[in-house]
Amino acid sequence: KAGVTQTPRYLIKTRGQQVTLSCSPISGHRSVSWYQQTPGQGLQFLFEYFSETQRNKGNFPGRFSGRQFSNSRSEMNVSTLELGDSALYLCASSLSGNEQFFGPGTRLTVL
Amino acid sequence: DQQVKQNSPSLSVQEGRISILNCDYTNSMFDYFLWYKKYPAEGPTFLISISSIKDKNEDGRFTVFLNKSAKHLSLHIVPSQPGDSAVYFCAALAGGYQKVTFGTGTKLQVIP
Repeated sequence: KAGVTQTPRYLIKTRGQQVTLSCSPISGHRSVSWYQQTPGQGLQFLFEYFSETQRNKGNFPGRFSGRQFSNSRSEMNVSTLELGDSALYLCASSLSGNEQFFGPGTRLTVL
Repeated sequence: DQQVKQNSPSLSVQEGRISILNCDYTNSMFDYFLWYKKYPAEGPTFLISISSIKDKNEDGRFTVFLNKSAKHLSLHIVPSQPGDSAVYFCAALAGGYQKVTFGTGTKLQVIP
């Protein structure tokens, strides 16, 4: 069974631009969560989607948004990029329980 | 407000010895805890978990201990192997929801 895939793996943007990251969960998994990882901050929870509905949301500004499609694939969008948005963005999928399976992440660099 | 804390950013252990990674939490609503291992350029990989109704869970070389009164959990790796060198994250959930709160991670180095 294929794992969680994320595209693109690396991305370089400039301040003020917007970016869209994509995540394809493990087949059959309906829950998709997004995390931001920065040095010293660990993994910060962004939001979680289940069956196209956002169920949980972390403490991030409204510039960070997401959505989930009927096939459970999810996208995350960051508008008006800031230097501090440079991070590794991780997506994780789950069948319904507590164990989450992570993708390799998208490394975003904002210049 | 860091609800899950890993106060040791790094740890070095000799191969064959025990590695003990610690994690403290503040939210008494947390009822399920997980440990993840992360290699550079890869996403975290699930290692082991424990429910708040237990105080110990074992899986091969990995054992997680939970002390609810102290709001503390630890991961023991015995014996430690060089391939265990990675960053270890402690994580917690409350009420079965998918909002997982992660610690900041501990970088383990196992020296051959």
